[in-house]
Amino acid sequence: NAGVTQTPKFQVLKTGQSMTLQCAQDMNHEYMSWYRQDPGMGLRLIHYSVGAGITDQGEVPNGYNVSRSTTEDFPLRLLSAAPSQTSVYFCASSYNGEFGGYTFGSGTRLTVV
Amino acid sequence: GESVGLHLPTLSVQEGDNSIINCAYSNSASDYFIWYKQESGKGPQFIIDIRSNMDKRQGQRVTVLLNKTVKHLSLQIAATQPGDSAVYFCAENPLGGSNYKLTFGKGTLLTVNP
Repeated sequence: NAGVTQTPKFQVLKTGQSMTLQCAQDMNHEYMSWYRQDPGMGLRLIHYSVGAGITDQGEVPNGYNVSRSTTEDFPLRLLSAAPSQTSVYFCASSYNGEFGGYTFGSGTRLTVV
Repeated sequence: GESVGLHLPTLSVQEGDNSIINCAYSNSASDYFIWYKQESGKGPQFIIDIRSNMDKRQGQRVTVLLNKTVKHLSLQIAATQPGDSAVYFCAENPLGGSNYKLTFGKGTLLTVNP
């Protein structure tokens, strides 16, 4: 049982490039979310999903797309990377959507130059 | 807009002492609060939560206190250990808000000295 797995752990992009941050969980959790964490700040919700085929926007969705074709995977796509998207990205999953039950991945540190 | 903030960005304590981490919130409609611990290079880890109909909740070595009158939340860690060194975040959820729209504070760095 690996929990929540995020890949890659580190990434450097040039402005304008696109990429996909991967997130997979093996706990059969229905609820999955993406957050970004900037220096000196708490986490901010980007997108979330309550099940396969269902996604919705969080607090800071601009510049990001998500899809949920399977229960296990919830990839986050950066359409055209900008320096403002330099951040640490966390994926989280939960069985029933209760906050205490969220399991976070170890994060992807993204730098856009 | 609403915000959640922390009084102290850093806290240094001696091993074995009790630690108190504070959090102020501005949304009087918030009905659910959570404390997370984040160790270096890792994702946040749930510590304890409390609903607005409670003033106090205890876990293993941790206690959360909620003072709705002054909109203040605190996390108390008893007999602090080196493994407690981490950044601690409080987060709130407004009454009736989506389960996914938590507002996080900026975090307090706790350093435990041996």
